[in-house]
Amino acid sequence: QIQLVQSGPELKKPGETVKISCKASGYTFTNYGMNWVKQAPGKGLKWMGWINTYTGEPTYADDFKGRFAFSLETSASTAYLQINNLKNEDTATYFCARTGVTRAMDYWGQGTSVTVSS
Amino acid sequence: DIVMTQSHKFMSTSIGDRVSITCKASQDVSTAVAWYQQKPGQSPNLLIYSASYRYTGVPDRFTGSGSGTDFTFTISSVQAEDLAVYYCQQHYSTPWTFGGGTKLEIK
Repeated sequence: QIQLVQSGPELKKPGETVKISCKASGYTFTNYGMNWVKQAPGKGLKWMGWINTYTGEPTYADDFKGRFAFSLETSASTAYLQINNLKNEDTATYFCARTGVTRAMDYWGQGTSVTVSS
Repeated sequence: DIVMTQSHKFMSTSIGDRVSITCKASQDVSTAVAWYQQKPGQSPNLLIYSASYRYTGVPDRFTGSGSGTDFTFTISSVQAEDLAVYYCQQHYSTPWTFGGGTKLEIK
């Protein structure tokens, strides 16, 4: 069965870096794009961008250009989200989600909670 | 960017009732709209894609309709397990954008 399994919760200080993983199984990793979605506490969903898992090319939404980086380890069917120079407003749950053939996001990871606090 | 507006942040309904949630796009997105259900403490789940197509395994009490800028998601007979927040999302052009969500409360 198709699964996206994300890494565990993170507690970081402002200015630090965090790298979240999303391991895919049950399908051919390079056949489907991978999205990243942010959900701040008590708030809605915000699309951060996606990475083409075949070419490795990332696309970032405007609010996520600069400190954010998507990457892949294709041999391990794993996508990564790295956030540099963490700020308090980065406190959120981050989801990875596959783009299906429908162009909607059909499978989601369980979410990774990132807390930024001094 | 395309703005997706769900005008009701909260909707209250009873078990067995029919409830409809609306979503308006700031520009024509054809039928490229998906609906997701997010239960408390869980990841979102895809229910509807391309405005009206039910995703695999989704109960037929969930339906979607609309095209252009106006979309509707309907639960024909609400069940207790439908307590959740429902989001619309356009998959017409990047950046993909979500509506603000509608929290369905069971009376």
